[in-house]
Amino acid sequence: DIQMTQSPSTLSASVGDRVTITCRASQTITNMLSWFQQKPGKAPNLLIYAASTLESGVPSRFSGSGSGTEYTLTINDLQPDDFATYFCQQYNNYPLTFGGGTKVEI
Amino acid sequence: EVQLVESGGSLVQPGGSLRLSCAVSGFTFSDHFMDWVRQAPGKGLEWVGRIRIKRNKYSTEYPASVKGRFTISRDDSKDSLYLQMNNLKIEDTAVYYCVSSPLTGSHYLIRHWGQGTLVTVSS
Repeated sequence: DIQMTQSPSTLSASVGDRVTITCRASQTITNMLSWFQQKPGKAPNLLIYAASTLESGVPSRFSGSGSGTEYTLTINDLQPDDFATYFCQQYNNYPLTFGGGTKVEI
Repeated sequence: EVQLVESGGSLVQPGGSLRLSCAVSGFTFSDHFMDWVRQAPGKGLEWVGRIRIKRNKYSTEYPASVKGRFTISRDDSKDSLYLQMNNLKIEDTAVYYCVSSPLTGSHYLIRHWGQGTLVTVSS
C-alpha cells in the first residue's frame, strides 16, 4: 500500500498568511494526487486534482504542485473561510489512500 | 445539482451486519465509479472500497481492512449504491460517506460526497 504522510499535522496561521502543506508518498504516484478541504461536521470538498488542477469553483488562492513522491498545497492570502482540515489522497494505485490531515487553525 | 444521500447507519453489536444505502441524483449514475469512504470519530479518512460501471462488469476493489467482510453493490435502475457490512468490529465505527467518482481525464476521480451516515459498533 502507498503511505501518504502529511506535514504538519497542525498549522497555526493568521488571515492574510501564505501557508504550505506537504504530502509525501511512500512511492511515486505520478501526479495522481488530490487535495480535499473538510470543515467540522461536513463532508470533504475537492480542491485540487492531478496534483495541480484547480477544481471548478475553488478560489485561485489555492494551488498545488509537486511531482514524484512530494506534493504541496499552498493557500495564498488565507481567508477566515479557509480554517479547516486538509487531506491529500493518491489514486495512482489501489488501495486508494489518504494522508492523515493538516488542521489549519487561527 | 449533484446529491448523494446515505441512509442505514445505526448502532450494531460486534459481529453483526448492517447495510448502508446511497441514493443519488443530479448526474448519470451509471457512468460513474462509486466509492465508500469512512471517518472514525476525530480521525482521518479511510477508503472502504469501489465499484466500477457495467462496462467494467461492476468489478470491485477493497482495502485489506474490510476485504471479505464488506461488499459494495449498485443498482443503476434505481440510481442507488449499497454497502453490505458483515462481521462488524468496534474499529468499523465511523461516519460512512458515499462518493461519486466520475471519469476526469483518464482517471476516475473521487469528487462528490454525501453527508455521511454514522455506524456505531458497540456492545
